[in-house]
Amino acid sequence: SQKIEQNSEALNIQEGKTATLTCNYTNYSPAYLQWYRQDPGRGPVFLLLIRENEKEKRKERLKVTFDTTLKQSLFHITASQPADSATYLCALRGGFKTIFGAGTRLFVKA
Amino acid sequence: EAGVAQSPRYKIIEKRQSVAFWCNPISGHATLYWYQQILGQGPKLLIQFQNNGVVDDSQLPKDRFSAERLKGVDSTLKIQPAKLEDSAVYLCASSSSTSGSAPRGGEQYFGPGTRLTVT
Repeated sequence: SQKIEQNSEALNIQEGKTATLTCNYTNYSPAYLQWYRQDPGRGPVFLLLIRENEKEKRKERLKVTFDTTLKQSLFHITASQPADSATYLCALRGGFKTIFGAGTRLFVKA
Repeated sequence: EAGVAQSPRYKIIEKRQSVAFWCNPISGHATLYWYQQILGQGPKLLIQFQNNGVVDDSQLPKDRFSAERLKGVDSTLKIQPAKLEDSAVYLCASSSSTSGSAPRGGEQYFGPGTRLTVT
């Protein structure tokens, strides 16, 4: 069955450093990979989308890579800030179907 | 642009009771999704509508859950009767993906969710 794995352990980093979150998947060939941010008590917010034929995508301090051979995406936040503290979800989209990972909690300490 | 609206925000019911949630998507978005998110897990798709037709309801427990999207705009999700394991946040999302042969990236816009507690 299709499976998405994100680090279940929280990631703690110091302000100003680069945070790197990992999303691995199996038994799936997504056309798109999406990253969302979710704050406590709120719905997920769309951040970035990368297509299967793209290697890298950037938006401001965010960078996403997509390796369809390794079946892995990396999500980077450069110059991290305490306001970046949240849960980050990756989602795979193939056809009309989207499946979400469980997310990784990020804590950025001042 | 107004976001996805959901109500109520919180609901507490006893097991075997019924409950209904309402969602109004972003204007013009053809696709509407209902997700269940249990604490510590990612959103799990319950049902996906394209306009007022069902695209995917493979994970909807149809013996107790039902959903409709009349007129292709707002939608309701109902649980009857509720069980303890239905305690979760119910998220509604919408996207502007078309139903053509080449679906777009499908980025979704979520509402704030309804937190359901079944006692």
